[in-house]
Amino acid sequence: DAGVIQSPRHEVTEMGQEVTLRCKPISGHNSLFWYRQTMMRGLELLIYFNNNVPIDDSGMPEDRFSAKMPNASFSTLKIQPSEPRDSAVYFCASSLGLAGDVETQYFGPGTRLLVL
Amino acid sequence: KNQVEQSPQSLIILEGKNCTLQCNYTVSPFSNLRWYKQDTGRGPVSLTIMTFSENTKSNGRYTATLDADTKQSSLHITASQLSDSASYICVVSAGGNKLTFGGGTRVLVKP
Repeated sequence: DAGVIQSPRHEVTEMGQEVTLRCKPISGHNSLFWYRQTMMRGLELLIYFNNNVPIDDSGMPEDRFSAKMPNASFSTLKIQPSEPRDSAVYFCASSLGLAGDVETQYFGPGTRLLVL
Repeated sequence: KNQVEQSPQSLIILEGKNCTLQCNYTVSPFSNLRWYKQDTGRGPVSLTIMTFSENTKSNGRYTATLDADTKQSSLHITASQLSDSASYICVVSAGGNKLTFGGGTRVLVKP
């Protein structure tokens, strides 16, 4: 398997623009996670899906952020409108279990977002 | 409030030496504790996952210990290599949907 695939790898945009990040989980995994990582706050769980259903979105910072998982092999994280404080590395991960289960989460390479 | 504190924030060690990273947590109830290694510019990679009943788990030169009574875990790196230079993140699960992340320890191995 190719692992978790994320696109784009890098994104530079201007404040106010819409940003869409994409993720393809490992085939057969039933949970998908979106994380954000910054120097100040470290790694934060934004939202996670189980069997394509959002289970916990308490980490989503505000209404400007939304995530969808239309099928088992694809998810998007959208920021509209983007702000400079959204600049971070966004990781997607997938696993066979729930967030807190004893199952390894496999992370993608991340999308490095810079909002000017 | 659930918290995970890691120490030190960073350390520098010479190649071939051993080092130990610490993770103290106040997460309750406790389900499992994970250590991740994150190379610069890459996503985290799982090193170990330990449940309440496990007090030691190894993955090559990495050995994690868990003391559920004192709510402490350590990650020991034996005979460090240049490739061990990375950030190490401790994550504690309360089960179900709840994960609490530590701030990480940045390790630099020098030749």
